[in-house]
Formats: sequence, structure tokens, C-alpha cells
Amino acid sequence: NAGVTQTPKFRILKIGQSMTLQCTQDMNHNYMYWYRQDPGMGLKLIYYSVGAGITDKGEVPNGYNVSRSTTEDFPLRLELAAPSQTSVYFCASGSVPGAGGTGELFFGEGSRLTVL
Amino acid sequence: LAKTTQPISMDSYEGQEVNITCSHNNIATNDYITWYQQFPSQGPRFIIQGYKTKVTNEVASLFIPADRKSSTLSLPRVSLSDTAVYYCLLLDTGRRALTFGSGTRLQVQP
Repeated sequence: NAGVTQTPKFRILKIGQSMTLQCTQDMNHNYMYWYRQDPGMGLKLIYYSVGAGITDKGEVPNGYNVSRSTTEDFPLRLELAAPSQTSVYFCASGSVPGAGGTGELFFGEGSRLTVL
Repeated sequence: LAKTTQPISMDSYEGQEVNITCSHNNIATNDYITWYQQFPSQGPRFIIQGYKTKVTNEVASLFIPADRKSSTLSLPRVSLSDTAVYYCLLLDTGRRALTFGSGTRLQVQP
């Protein structure tokens, strides 16, 4: 089972460059999330989506954009990369209780991004 | 969004039972309480979820009092491999957002 797949696993960017982190899930989950985790810290919610065509901001959306054109894909776009965006990024998908699901979130392996 | 509060860290020894308590005074009626485990360089992994009273699965138990303002994750007979960060979070079924707190860093020693 592939589950949640993130690419790339590692990337080094220069200040001001842009890039897209890819996230794909094969579990037909409606809900998808992007988190960032700085060293020694907890996860911060960047953006989330409750279904294709619907996205919403989380706790730390500035400097990022997302789109959700299909159920499977939820790419995260970094515009004008800054050193403060150096972090590990996790994508997750899941369902919620009461909607025929368990509420469990499934996470990808993470994408480690360094901005120099 | 309702916030959660957990101890920053806990220490234990192999074979002991570990109880991690989470406070969520502003929990909403529709919120579920969920716990995740995270090892270094990995994404969090689901442990257990509950709404009220007690829930038990093969790895943990979750105790939720009647007022639901707190919850306790119980790990029976921990081993070295249980050393990890444990997160308590509320599943906001209304808005569907899921926010993580700082977590509790559990260190299990021989």
C-alpha cells in the first residue's frame, strides 16, 4: 500500500526561489493537510482541504499556497523561499468520525527543505 | 480552535505504566480526542481516539472523564521503543482542522 507519498524527500533552495512539494494519497480520503515541523518543535498546520476544490488556511499559511484539483493530490507551493521556511514538511490525509471514517490521519515520510 | 496542554516531558523505566494527561478546557461538543506518536524523522502515527469514557486498543488506553476537559493516555508496560513524542489533539469535526500542540517527550530508560 502506497498510502501518502511526498516528493521530493530533500531539497535545498536559494532565497527567493520557488518550488512545489507534491503530495499524493491513494486511500480516497477527502481530508488532506500540510504541516511543517521545525527542529525540536511540534507540527504547525499550514493549509488543509476537506475535498477537491476546497482549501482553507491553517495556523501558518503565509508564504505558501495550495490547490486541490483532485481527491488524490494536494501540492504545496512555496513562493519566494526564505530561510524561515527551512523545515520538515509533512503531508497527511484522513477522514473524520461520523462520516464513515475513523478520524485517523495518515502521514507521508516528510520533505526536508533547506533555504540558504 | 480549542487548545490542548500537555507536560513537556516525562521519564519512565521499562516495564512501567505511563500515564500522560492532556488538558482541553475549551473542548467543543463535536470534538474527538486523538493521540499520536512520533519518532524522530518520521511523521506522527495514530495511537488511539475517543469521545468519552474509556477506549482501549492493543497498544494503549484512553480515559476521558465525564466533563471531557482532560484526557489521559495510558501506555502499559513501556519498552525502550516507546521513547517518542506523544501528541494530544482535538479533531474539530465542524471545521475539519487538526492542530498539534507541543507534545510530550517520553524517555524510557532501561
